[in-house]
Amino acid sequence: QVQLQESGPGLVKPSQTLSLTCTVSGGSVSSSGYYWSWIRQHPGKGLEWIGDIYSSRSTYYNPSLKSVVTISLDTSKNQFSLRLSSVTAADTAMYYCARARRLVVVGAADTYYFDYWGQGTLVTVSS
Amino acid sequence: EIVLTQSPGTLSLSPGERATLSCRASQGVSSSYLAWYQQKPGRAPRLLIYGASTRATGIPDRFSGSGSGTDFTLTISRLEPEDFAVYYCQHYINSPRGFTFGPGTKVDI
Repeated sequence: QVQLQESGPGLVKPSQTLSLTCTVSGGSVSSSGYYWSWIRQHPGKGLEWIGDIYSSRSTYYNPSLKSVVTISLDTSKNQFSLRLSSVTAADTAMYYCARARRLVVVGAADTYYFDYWGQGTLVTVSS
Repeated sequence: EIVLTQSPGTLSLSPGERATLSCRASQGVSSSYLAWYQQKPGRAPRLLIYGASTRATGIPDRFSGSGSGTDFTLTISRLEPEDFAVYYCQHYINSPRGFTFGPGTKVDI
């Protein structure tokens, strides 16, 4: 059973950098066929994909956040991490890590869906 | 950019009733790239359906997905008390890579 667990500060000051880590158990971040993703949810709102990383360390980011996001991988610890720089109150949200699993589509590009999620961690941006 | 719209915003039903949730894409999408998630208060989302109609592992058969093009539907045939939650549709695009979610439909009593 794959499990993901987010960790990191629950409070970050404006203009600073938000840093979170997701520890994966029951599976390997080095496995092929999976991307390791960050998704956030503003209070009382819907879900927003932040970005993800593959075992090759290829990264993909939401264009709306690309200038401030960095996702990295630590295969030795079976973890991946999120850094969000220059945060504002608008970055206050529940942050989830998730595994995006590949599904082969015959005659078309592969698709992905989120099959495992962490429990989430609330990050508040406030002075 | 493909925008997903879900309706209704809130669906008020009773246990045992049938729930029909709609997800509409701003342009036609392949059903292979459409998924549905359930989220209960204080919990992470849970995958229900992928490929528009394939139930994820462990999902009861009262949940079913259908649709194509721009219109997709999640149906809960007979609501159980534990089904009262918020449901999100999600689309994957491969070029450029990204995911978008609908705003959600809340199913409440």
